[in-house]
Amino acid sequence: GESVGLHLPTLSVQEGDNSIINCAYSNSASDYFIWYKQESGKGPQFIIDIRSNMDKRQGQRVTVLLNKTVKHLSLQIAATQPGDSAVYFCAESWYSGGGADGLTFGKGTHLIIQP
Amino acid sequence: ETGVTQSPTHLIKTRGQQVTLRCSSQSGHNTVSWYQQALGQGPQFIFQYYREEENGRGNFPPRFSGLQFPNYSSELNVNALELDDSALYLCASSLVGDRETQYFGPGTRLLVL
Repeated sequence: GESVGLHLPTLSVQEGDNSIINCAYSNSASDYFIWYKQESGKGPQFIIDIRSNMDKRQGQRVTVLLNKTVKHLSLQIAATQPGDSAVYFCAESWYSGGGADGLTFGKGTHLIIQP
Repeated sequence: ETGVTQSPTHLIKTRGQQVTLRCSSQSGHNTVSWYQQALGQGPQFIFQYYREEENGRGNFPPRFSGLQFPNYSSELNVNALELDDSALYLCASSLVGDRETQYFGPGTRLLVL
């Protein structure tokens, strides 16, 4: 079964506001996490990643926070723009010692930007 | 754009047929992973190829198989197609392995009738 899940299937925010998308994971062995953005008809686009030895990582207008105590990951988007409308997926990876396990994705959160 | 390309973009097959999907990696990347994404779901890991060998596999039956070529491009083959195989098939390339950043192509939309 899936070990990564998202709290909300849809998030609606006003243009210019900050967006926070949450993700819970259940595999405590996960040591690498990625956020992807997927627009309709396209493949997932890398946004930002974080490894388990970090709590926070910032990119351009985006910040990822990792709380290993409660197995929680969040993506913060500052000053949300219409182009940010998409489905956002968190994904996790862990090393099982038996070759690649791939990324495990959650179901995604659809971010809708209100004008 | 990630530099990962896939072909074809769309494909329609009938149940029982076989299909081959193709992927070209981003320049410099030696690892290719394949994912299946059903409508409204997140991608699911099928398998990964590294150095022309399968390096790991998700929960998919043997009728899903692949190849990786010396130039790091890859193929996904699906035999005996079933209706539930209808999905977006994504390949992702990365350097070294699955615990590095994976960059996705645009996908191939497969419809099985």
